[in-house]
Amino acid sequence: NAGVTQTPKFQVLKTGQSMTLQCAQDMNHEYMSWYRQDPGMGLRLIHYSVGAGITDQGEVPNGYNVSRSTTEDFPLRLLSAAPSQTSVYFCASRPGARYGTDTQYFGPGTRLTVL
Amino acid sequence: GENVEQHPSTLSVQEGDSAVIKCTYSDSASNYFPWYKQELGKGPQLIIDIRSNVGEKKDQRIAVTLNKTAKHFSLHITETQPEDSAVYFCAALEPFGNEKLTFGTGTRLTIIP
Repeated sequence: NAGVTQTPKFQVLKTGQSMTLQCAQDMNHEYMSWYRQDPGMGLRLIHYSVGAGITDQGEVPNGYNVSRSTTEDFPLRLLSAAPSQTSVYFCASRPGARYGTDTQYFGPGTRLTVL
Repeated sequence: GENVEQHPSTLSVQEGDSAVIKCTYSDSASNYFPWYKQELGKGPQLIIDIRSNVGEKKDQRIAVTLNKTAKHFSLHITETQPEDSAVYFCAALEPFGNEKLTFGTGTRLTIIP
């Protein structure tokens, strides 16, 4: 198993540009999430999904869109990049409560800089 | 929603000594409390977790304690080693429906050789 994979590892954008951060997991997990990590702020939840076709907002959803058309993939779209979106982004997945475990696995992260 | 506070934000201990990191949570319904270790340039990795029906759990040099009444839980690392230097995060899981995992702001642990 590759676990949770994210691409790209690094990205530089100009203000106003759009892009998609890719996330995939091969563990057949129901739950997937996107977090951003900023110095002194910990991990803040952007959007999450409890299954294919179901998404919901987290703590800091503004400026981001997600979709979950398959169990494996959970892309994060930046609609019009702003310098405030400069951060490290982590995708995560976990099986779901009905599987008897809540262990969440994180991807390696994408470091995004918006100029 | 859930709110998790974590202290201290930085901690330096001599190699071989013990380190303790504390977290408090606000939602009494939260029932799962993991601890993650994050090394530089990597994603967080689970090191230990505890459920609300258990008061303490150990795994070699690492232990977690939970006080449901006071709504706080702690990470204990004994006989610290240089490779324990990292950022540690606590988290709490809100059950029933959204099942969101809320994280503390992290503790940077430095082990002094």
